[in-house]
Amino acid sequence: EPEVTQTPSHQVTQMGQEVILRCVPISNHLYFYWYRQILGQKVEFLVSFYNNEISEKSEIFDDQFSVERPDGSNFTLKIRSTKLEDSAMYFCASSSIMNTEAFFGQGTRLTVV
Amino acid sequence: EDQVTQSPEALRLQEGESSSLNCSYTVSGLRGLFWYRQDPGKGPEFLFTLYSAGEEKEKERLKATLTKKESFLHITAPKPEDSATYLCAVQNSGGYQKVTFGTGTKLQVIP
Repeated sequence: EPEVTQTPSHQVTQMGQEVILRCVPISNHLYFYWYRQILGQKVEFLVSFYNNEISEKSEIFDDQFSVERPDGSNFTLKIRSTKLEDSAMYFCASSSIMNTEAFFGQGTRLTVV
Repeated sequence: EDQVTQSPEALRLQEGESSSLNCSYTVSGLRGLFWYRQDPGKGPEFLFTLYSAGEEKEKERLKATLTKKESFLHITAPKPEDSATYLCAVQNSGGYQKVTFGTGTKLQVIP
């Protein structure tokens, strides 16, 4: 069964450092997303990406965040200068039709110290 | 602003004891309502999409229903492996791709 894969599963970084979270969406999917979930809180939308550009972003997705699809398979989320409050589980998701049956990866747990 | 409220926050059932989870939503126009299952430390696993009031979908012991203001996830004769957090989410029909999640119902099924 096709799946969304994310690496690394856990990343620890110092405050102020840049991090890149990586995702390989399902191969025939066209829409890609990043969500985050702070421990004990709800899943929150960050950004959606289609046709090599951001199609929508939330208020959380400020200038510290960027996304890229550097090649035909990878989809990345970069946080330029991490803050303590960026500590969360980050989920990548993809879908073949906009938000119908979005499939999520297993997440990257980001810990900022 | 779209809002999703799920109840109860937690539910403990004996194996075989059927029950329902509630998802109340406020959205200016509904494109779709989604149910996901989330196991601890894992990503949400897609269960159902419902598009219009009156629609129902079933999968094994789960059945999801939709009205204009809420959705129910009915669990019939649950087993311990059904223990998880069940998430409800909505997407607005206003051309936006953002999906708004509720905080979930944590279900524990005791053997």
